[in-house]
Amino acid sequence: DTAVSQTPKYLVTQMGNDKSIKCEQNLGHDTMYWYKQDSKKFLKIMFSYNNKELIINETVPNRFSPKSPDKAHLNLHINSLELGDSAVYFCASSQDRALAGGPTDTQYFGPGTRLTVL
Amino acid sequence: AQSVTQLDSQVPVFEEAPVELRCNYSSSVSVYLFWYVQYPNQGLQLLLKYLSGSTLVESINGFEAEFNKSQTSFHLRKPSVHISDTAEYFCAVRAKGTSYGKLTFGQGTILTVHP
Repeated sequence: DTAVSQTPKYLVTQMGNDKSIKCEQNLGHDTMYWYKQDSKKFLKIMFSYNNKELIINETVPNRFSPKSPDKAHLNLHINSLELGDSAVYFCASSQDRALAGGPTDTQYFGPGTRLTVL
Repeated sequence: AQSVTQLDSQVPVFEEAPVELRCNYSSSVSVYLFWYVQYPNQGLQLLLKYLSGSTLVESINGFEAEFNKSQTSFHLRKPSVHISDTAEYFCAVRAKGTSYGKLTFGQGTILTVHP
């Protein structure tokens, strides 16, 4: 069974369109993340949710809006797509007991969604 | 804030040769350290991690990494590589005691194993 799944795997769209990427995890984790991997393969965190609550929001344009309907899902909606949004977007999840002072938990990554904006 | 530098963007080696992928980090606080691997057209998978204790950590497929606090390094090594080790490897850190799992990644090192 796939632990962290993303749909679609590939997304090709025109500038100015609005699109969504979905992420689901079946690991029972409390925390989910979105990362962006740019053309230079540099990975950077965008958002993190814990139990449907936004806890990390890096400097990301307002056109990007994460939505977490429940703790197993974290979707990414992007408005008015721009050329610079072309990248691979990775979803991840972890149990994350960091606040309890215990060891950090492994983040499990999805297969990625390759977004191409034309 | 943390930063991670992977000193080599590409490392070509021959099969059965040893390899070292270098990683240095900068942080004002103590960190946890990770190596992730990304095989072609796949997501990232955790290879190994250092949380505490012994500074030498090993993976199930023969990789090892040693945490060197004085040099702020976490280099990844394997004594004999296989064709199947061809992938991109990412070093990452996470600050201890922070809220939730923000990982800071290096730029990645592409390991290519030639027959």
